Amino acid sequence: EADIYQTPRYLVIGTGKKITLECSQTMGHDKMYWYQQDPGMELHLIHYSYGVNSTEKGDLSSESTVSRIRTEHFPLTLESARPSHTSQYLCASSEWADTEAFFGQGTRLTVV
Amino acid sequence: SQQGEEDPQALSIQEGENATMNCSYKTSINNLQWYRQNSGRGLVHLILIRSNEREKHSGRLRVTLDTSKKSSSLLITASRAADTASYFCATDAGGNNRLAFGKGNQVVVIP
Repeated sequence: EADIYQTPRYLVIGTGKKITLECSQTMGHDKMYWYQQDPGMELHLIHYSYGVNSTEKGDLSSESTVSRIRTEHFPLTLESARPSHTSQYLCASSEWADTEAFFGQGTRLTVV
Repeated sequence: SQQGEEDPQALSIQEGENATMNCSYKTSINNLQWYRQNSGRGLVHLILIRSNEREKHSGRLRVTLDTSKKSSSLLITASRAADTASYFCATDAGGNNRLAFGKGNQVVVIP
């Protein structure tokens, strides 16, 4: 059982609202990732982190931002949500970049 | 950036048959991993094969890796309805400290 949790599981929110998607892991992993996935489509890396106070943008440009103040916590924030942000967001962590990654259950975001 | 590309992308088979899917990548890797995703939920790790390995087994799964062709295959033997899912390969993107995924194969196993 993976010890990585995402909240909320589902979120419907109006355009222009600020939102934060939470991701927490209890495995002490340094590497954490945020992926964006549309239904039936590939995963796009939007942010990753090597450890505390280290964050990098991924392969897909995103208007979201992330922070890594604590090892176990890697929240993603959208300052002003738009319908184009509607998607599923998956958080993952791993001990190293080339070891098994553990995924949360995802947050399905709908912006209306 | 490094991305695996699976082929074929959709596969429908009868229960008991074998399912094979392929993945190609572009740069050197330390290892290649396969994951399963059920109904758009989080991904679950299936198997990891290192760049110095050619074949690896785990239960009904068999993975091969050909680094000269930069490709990998995943074979699921004696498929079950519960194997219905999307399958993704992932690589460490040439050691760039991030895990990059391919497009995914959707497999439907008909009971």
